[in-house]
Amino acid sequence: GAVVSQHPSWVICKSGTSVKIECRSLDFQATTMFWYRQFPKQSLMLMATSNEGSKATYEQGVEKDKFLINHASLTLSTLTVTSAHPEDSSFYICSARDPRVGSTDYTFGSGTRLTVV
Amino acid sequence: RKEVEQDPGPFNVPEGATVAFNCTYSNSASQSFFWYRQDCRKEPKLLMSVYSSGNEDGRFTAQLNRASQYISLLIRDSKLSDSATYLCVVNRRGRDDKIIFGKGTRLHILP
Repeated sequence: GAVVSQHPSWVICKSGTSVKIECRSLDFQATTMFWYRQFPKQSLMLMATSNEGSKATYEQGVEKDKFLINHASLTLSTLTVTSAHPEDSSFYICSARDPRVGSTDYTFGSGTRLTVV
Repeated sequence: RKEVEQDPGPFNVPEGATVAFNCTYSNSASQSFFWYRQDCRKEPKLLMSVYSSGNEDGRFTAQLNRASQYISLLIRDSKLSDSATYLCVVNRRGRDDKIIFGKGTRLHILP
């Protein structure tokens, strides 16, 4: 089945620094990837939709200048958390859908647990 | 009103029992429906898609009622390993292709 690889699995960074998270579709091309954030005991909240070759679409309330998304190729999307603060500590997860076989289910990366100290 | 609503639980159920969850969605343009399972501090994994005709996968049965806009999941003969959070997921297709998660229902299977 479709595989989505996400790195790093966890990262600890100092307040004020930037962190980049990568999401790769390993065996299919993904024109669209999705970035979610999940706080403890909360549901996954869609942050933005990453579109290959064009600007990402951000959900209401998500700062596009703080959460930079780049989808430069059909297999890679990156999320950069700029000037991270402790309140950005969360579980970030990407997903993509394999369009080849008409599948309607989405595959998720393994997630990145970000801790800002 | 949230687009996808679920009872957060927790449901504490003895091993071997049958348990059912419901989920409602508000957007009638929703086209695809799923149940995902999420273990603590892990990514969600697809449990099963949900079809209008209803579908079964082993001990799991999913139903969709488009008229009433709700989805259900039934787990029979529950196992300890079924303990997890079950996420109801709805996909809107077309110009605005996105998937929306419910908050999840926590299930604890008791020995």
